[in-house]
Amino acid sequence: QVQLQESGPGLVKPSGTLSLTCAVSGGSISSSNWWSWIRQPPGKGLEWIGEIYHSGSTNYNPSLKSRVTISVDKSKNQFSLKLSSVTAADTAVYYCARMASAAVAARWFDPWGQGTLVTVSS
Amino acid sequence: SYVLTQPPSVSVAPGQTARITCGGNNIGSKSVHWYQQKPGQAPVLVVYDDSDRPSGIPERFSGSNSGNTATLTISRVEAGDEADYYCQVWDSSSDHYVFGTGTKVTVL
Repeated sequence: QVQLQESGPGLVKPSGTLSLTCAVSGGSISSSNWWSWIRQPPGKGLEWIGEIYHSGSTNYNPSLKSRVTISVDKSKNQFSLKLSSVTAADTAVYYCARMASAAVAARWFDPWGQGTLVTVSS
Repeated sequence: SYVLTQPPSVSVAPGQTARITCGGNNIGSKSVHWYQQKPGQAPVLVVYDDSDRPSGIPERFSGSNSGNTATLTISRVEAGDEADYYCQVWDSSSDHYVFGTGTKVTVL
């Protein structure tokens, strides 16, 4: 079964760039699935950040679009997130997830990675 | 932007039924998915496409969706069902996925 694992620095300075990678195992990132990043500030709800297909096509949350870049590395079976100009408001647990192979209006997230906490602080 | 409203909390005694609502404008026309999140863990899908269950999810979890409200029902509640629950849809007006505000289920 597919498993996802996030990795990256747990501490990022304000105005810097947050960079995370999601390694996919037990399946191919080139399957007919989209792959997403989702975040959750401490004690708060879930926020979708964006998604990518193995072709490199992406879609982003309009509220974050100007600061987000998601990319894919098929040779390593992984995808990555970059979030620029971070502030304390970007402190959150960041999750990666596979999206169901369905029409865009019907997709769900399953499975999820375990998540990684990124703190923005000097 | 599309807003999904859930009650902040629901309390239920063991063995009883918990109903968690997810309100949104004409949500009945959308596909709704539900996630369970226990403390310190990643969310887990419990219902997709309004009322389907992934393999491994007990039949006690069921869903419905009509009009302006989708509902996740947990029958014969157990202590292990205590968690936060989130609904999720696709917002076609702004082309992004939206989560509900979340509901904390407490088993008395």
